[in-house]
Amino acid sequence: GAGVSQSPSNKVTEKGKDVELRCDPISGHTALYWYRQSLGQGLEFLIYFQGNSAPDKSGLPSDRFSAERTGGSVSTLTIQRTQQEDSAVYLCASSSRDSISNEQFFGPGTRLTVL
Amino acid sequence: QQQVKQSPQSLIVQKGGISIINCAYENTAFDYFPWYQQFPGKGPALLIAIRPDVSEKKEGRFTISFNKSAKQFSLHIMDSQPGDSATYFCAASMRGFQKLVFGTGTRLLVSP
Repeated sequence: GAGVSQSPSNKVTEKGKDVELRCDPISGHTALYWYRQSLGQGLEFLIYFQGNSAPDKSGLPSDRFSAERTGGSVSTLTIQRTQQEDSAVYLCASSSRDSISNEQFFGPGTRLTVL
Repeated sequence: QQQVKQSPQSLIVQKGGISIINCAYENTAFDYFPWYQQFPGKGPALLIAIRPDVSEKKEGRFTISFNKSAKQFSLHIMDSQPGDSATYFCAASMRGFQKLVFGTGTRLLVSP
């Protein structure tokens, strides 16, 4: 079956521009997460969607970052007025609410470079 | 309180040797401790996970050892192979809060 997909795989943008990153979770997975992986660093939690509940936005680093999930499936992470420190790999993951293991399945990521 | 500290940052092991990666946490509310494996250009993939009601879990060549009183857990890779060369992340989460808190990663190189 299809795994988590993300697009684009690479995005180069200029400082100050807005970018949108897309995530298609595994079909039927009700939980969706966004993480950020900076060079040489671990994964930093950004935001978590679970079904129709209010998202957990506690990891968003600034109000330039926002995310939405439409129809309980596809999610878009938007970064407004990008800064050079936003350069990182943005990873999306999904999991099944019924999963006892809480296993999160990750996509390949979007590598964002802000010039 | 939310951090998970991981060591070493990098590790070189000869083929057939044992690779050991350690993690420590502070928050006693954590109740799920997975290890993820990541190859270059790929997203992390779950390798093995443990809950604090057991002290050890083994799956093939991979073993998690868990010390609840010391708030430490470690990954042991027995008979390490060149194909195990990857970055390994420990993580933790709390009951009812599924977001994972990750360690900073260990880059493992298994020399042939």
